[in-house]
Formats: sequence, structure tokens, C-alpha cells
Amino acid sequence: SAVISQKPSRDICQRGTSLTIQCQVDSQVTMMFWYRQQPGQSLTLIATANQGSEATYESGFVIDKFPISRPNLTFSTLTVSNMSPEDSSIYLCSVALTGTSSYEQYFGPGTRLTVT
Amino acid sequence: AQKITQTQPGMFVQEKEAVTLDCTYDTSDQSYGLFWYKQPSSGEMIFLIYQGSYDEQNATEGRYSLNFQKARKSANLVISASQLGDSAMYFCATGGSNYKLTFGKGTLLTVNP
Repeated sequence: SAVISQKPSRDICQRGTSLTIQCQVDSQVTMMFWYRQQPGQSLTLIATANQGSEATYESGFVIDKFPISRPNLTFSTLTVSNMSPEDSSIYLCSVALTGTSSYEQYFGPGTRLTVT
Repeated sequence: AQKITQTQPGMFVQEKEAVTLDCTYDTSDQSYGLFWYKQPSSGEMIFLIYQGSYDEQNATEGRYSLNFQKARKSANLVISASQLGDSAMYFCATGGSNYKLTFGKGTLLTVNP
């Protein structure tokens, strides 16, 4: 398994500002992802955080709005830029651990963001 | 493309009884995995169980088992001997060779004493 921490755990921000969320893993992992969970909804993948290169974004998400850094194999950040109330969500990072015949994917505790 | 369907928005079960949460999937991947997660009101996503598409035996983890029927594209979660702490939102998800997960809308399970 993997132990994942996120900072901050929650925040209340004003519209137009930006927030950077940190994700730290207790071991080196290749595959790291960022997801968003809007209120009362399921999880949606934002992007794959690639170590040493630009993140790969899913349809509907763009780098200018959600810049991601991945400086090494244990750490990543997601910035939510120029926030609006529609950005109020839980943001979660996850890591995929692959084995010879299986794989598991673990999530951080999430960052609960409220934009006013 | 991948799609997960969870048709039960909410389920109720008596404490100590078993409950089955339904999940059907659609995927274009030849090799894929099926996952179940538990999300309590705190918001964290707790990994419960994984089933690989080539696994012939159903996965089990303690009180959790995954009833995998490949031909029917279903991956139902069975929770035995329900406990009050099992009350939470449960999400089914699928992932392919790129490890990206697609989630269903979830089922809210309430365990009654």
C-alpha cells in the first residue's frame, strides 16, 4: 500500500485567487493522478502528473487553469487558478501501484475547497 | 472509452446481514481492472478490493468480495456481516492499461442497527 498526505486538508478562498495543493507519497511511484469531486458527484480525472515532463490533461481541463508540477517520484502539486465558486470541490491525488498480476490505486485524504 | 453504471443510488441493510452493491461496466480495453472504494462522510477514498479482467477467481478481502461476471460485464460488491461503520458512499471504478480510473455515480449504503 501507499501512505499519501495532502495539504491543505481544507480551505476557503475568495474568487479570483489561486490555491496550490500539495501531495506527498511515502514511496517512489511512477503513476500519480489528480481527481476532482464536485459536491454530490463522482470523481473525475483532471490529469496525469508525469515526473520530469508536462502533465497530461483530460478533456475539459487545461493547464492554465490547473497547472501541475511533479518534481520527483514522491511529490506533486496542483494549482487551482483564478478560482470561481464552480471550483468548489474535493481535490484528490492518487497513485497506482503495479504488481506482477494486479494493481492497486490509493487516494490521498483530499483537499476540500470552498470558493466564495 | 470506459463507463461504469451503478443503478442503486441508495441501499439499506440491517446490521449483521449481507448486502450486494451492483456495478456494470463497459470498456474497450482488453485488459482492465475493476475497483471498489468506500467514501465515508469525511471524504477520503478508501480502497476496498481489486479484480483483474483475467483473474478467474473472484477477489476477496476480509468481509468484502467481488462477484465478477465477465460475460455480463458486472462486478458487484458483496459485504458480509454488515457493521454500522460500513455506512458510506461506495464507488465502483474501472481502469485500463493507462491506470486512469473511471468512476460510477456511487451507491449510498446505510446500515441500520
